[in-house]
Amino acid sequence: ETGVTQSPTHLIKTRGQQVTLRCSSQSGHNTVSWYQQALGQGPQFIFQYYREEENGRGNFPPRFSGLQFPNYSSELNVNALELDDSALYLCASSLGGQGASRSYNSPLHFGNGTRLTVT
Amino acid sequence: SQQGEEDPQALSIQEGENATMNCSYKTSINNLQWYRQNSGRGLVHLILIRSNEREKHSGRLRVTLDTSKKSSSLLITASRAADTASYFCAHNAGNMLTFGGGTRLMVKP
Repeated sequence: ETGVTQSPTHLIKTRGQQVTLRCSSQSGHNTVSWYQQALGQGPQFIFQYYREEENGRGNFPPRFSGLQFPNYSSELNVNALELDDSALYLCASSLGGQGASRSYNSPLHFGNGTRLTVT
Repeated sequence: SQQGEEDPQALSIQEGENATMNCSYKTSINNLQWYRQNSGRGLVHLILIRSNEREKHSGRLRVTLDTSKKSSSLLITASRAADTASYFCAHNAGNMLTFGGGTRLMVKP
């Protein structure tokens, strides 16, 4: 069983630039969620993708966007980077769909994250 | 902002002691989950308790859920130095899993 992998592990960008983070989901999982975790805080939900469509979004501006591909891997794109975007970005995969019970009660499997620093 | 709160924010105990962490939330839930995070790494799922369950055990972990008080607790018995980590509760009310701010546990050998 292949776990969730994220790339790159670390990234330094300048304010105003754009960044793309990548995530490969665990084999057999069809849902990907992205979280932002500031230092010393809990993860904040950005959005979720299921079957290549956005399936829920947290309180993040439109410059945060994503994609899910047919193999269920995913990308997180952030445009016009701001200093406050500096954080650990976590991707998590799960098994969703096929009835509410399966979706709601499926635990998340996290990757080790991408540490983004915006200067 | 977090929709769940955890208490205490930090906890320091000796190896062999028990550690108790509490979590409160504000909305109706389908389930509540606990995760562990070692410094700078991803979160690892520990245990899930459904809204119609009151208590659940997994090895040295015991989780309780009181939906009338909108609260949960995680008990780690006979703690070990390797249990040092941050522990987060997260509640599921739809597609989104909402995390609390976490409890930073240090277990001293």
